[in-house]
Amino acid sequence: GQNIDQPTEMTATEGAIVQINCTYQTSGFNGLFWYQQHAGEAPTFLSYNVLDGLEEKGRFSSFLSRSKGYSYLLLKELQMKDSASYLCAAMDSNYQLIWGAGTKLIIKP
Amino acid sequence: GAVVSQHPSRVICKSGTSVKIECRSLDFQATTMFWYRQFPKQSLMLMATSNEGSKATYEQGVEKDKFLINHASLTLSTLTVTSAHPEDSSFYICSARESGDTGELFFGEGSRLTVL
Repeated sequence: GQNIDQPTEMTATEGAIVQINCTYQTSGFNGLFWYQQHAGEAPTFLSYNVLDGLEEKGRFSSFLSRSKGYSYLLLKELQMKDSASYLCAAMDSNYQLIWGAGTKLIIKP
Repeated sequence: GAVVSQHPSRVICKSGTSVKIECRSLDFQATTMFWYRQFPKQSLMLMATSNEGSKATYEQGVEKDKFLINHASLTLSTLTVTSAHPEDSSFYICSARESGDTGELFFGEGSRLTVL
């Protein structure tokens, strides 16, 4: 079956770095997405990886290892506004997104 | 980036009535749009894939006669919740791809439906 695993909740301190991990199992693979979702709002796109390696975009970076079925989202210089849920989603061979349940990130001063 | 607009953002209706939610791609053409539902503290659940000019593809367990999807143009898809009941109360979100099958997904603002 198809499955996405990510931690339910993480806590970090303002100004620090946090890494949110995601493992996936899908029928075929056409890329891995990370989305940010603040409570009560729609998700917003953060990153898309289809090749192995690290993609850096400002304070956020995303890593993919296709052989390990593993990705992580790295957030640097954490700000209070980064408190949100972070959703990992893998695209299968039919181009359907398989969503994780999301990781709630709590930032403390 | 591309913009997807969803309307209404909030709707409250009586049990048994029907509610229509619109999803528009404002500055691009979207041959495919997706409709999701999110219950509190749960992840997004894909309900159906809306294809312009053809019937929507529904995910297993989603009643096609209850959740009517119409994708009549390249910029508009509608979701109609027919004979709504309290258990249909949820956050409904649409998304669309700007181009290709692996392009970035853009989401609408979401519609919070409350059925009394």
